[in-house]
Amino acid sequence: DIQMTQSPTSLSASVGDRVTITCRASQDVRYNVGWFQQKPGKAPKPLISDAVSLQSGVPTKFIGSSSGTDFTLTITSLQPEDFATYFCQQYYSLPITFGHGTKLDI
Amino acid sequence: VQLVQSGGGLVKPGGSLRLSCAASGFTFNNAWMSWVRQVPGKGLEWIGRLKSKADGGTTQYAAPVKGRFTISRDDSKNMLYLQMSDLKTEDTAVYYCTTDYRWEPGQWGATDYYFDSWGQGVLVTVSS
Repeated sequence: DIQMTQSPTSLSASVGDRVTITCRASQDVRYNVGWFQQKPGKAPKPLISDAVSLQSGVPTKFIGSSSGTDFTLTITSLQPEDFATYFCQQYYSLPITFGHGTKLDI
Repeated sequence: VQLVQSGGGLVKPGGSLRLSCAASGFTFNNAWMSWVRQVPGKGLEWIGRLKSKADGGTTQYAAPVKGRFTISRDDSKNMLYLQMSDLKTEDTAVYYCTTDYRWEPGQWGATDYYFDSWGQGVLVTVSS
């Protein structure tokens, strides 16, 4: 199985900050990486697919990038509604696997 | 694009349960559908996929559920199902249906979508 090692596990930031979350895949996943935001008691909200493509309706403050097997989610100009848990995912091969999540709090 | 789930609840170990997922707002029969579960407070775990009939209609399952869970679809009703049997306490989780892969025709050709819609989730509790 492909492991997605996500870091950091938790992150404290302030409104207006820019933060970066990273996932490292244990092997080549091409660009088949997604990012999700999840708030307590809610379903995951898709943010990015194919490593860099914004899902429909997602603001451009969410930026996905990649370099080899390293994938990054950058969130600019943090707002109160951005404080949540973020997960990465690879869908290049089965089983589809997720990172363990990054909890972003104030 | 919307997925609305039903089913879920409390079931005893060894019991069975069926979850349903009603799809709307997209071409369901073009979509590969997956189920993902999440133990409350923990991470996301993919449990299985069902491809579109045009792509073979095959299923793949994660090891922990293979042989116990079955994913099916009724394209005439835009419905996805997860039949769970021989349930174990470790199957206790919130279950989500999601559009794994789908495509829609457009003016400039087809557009591919990956995991772009999720159901609201239903809690399955396996306990005696």
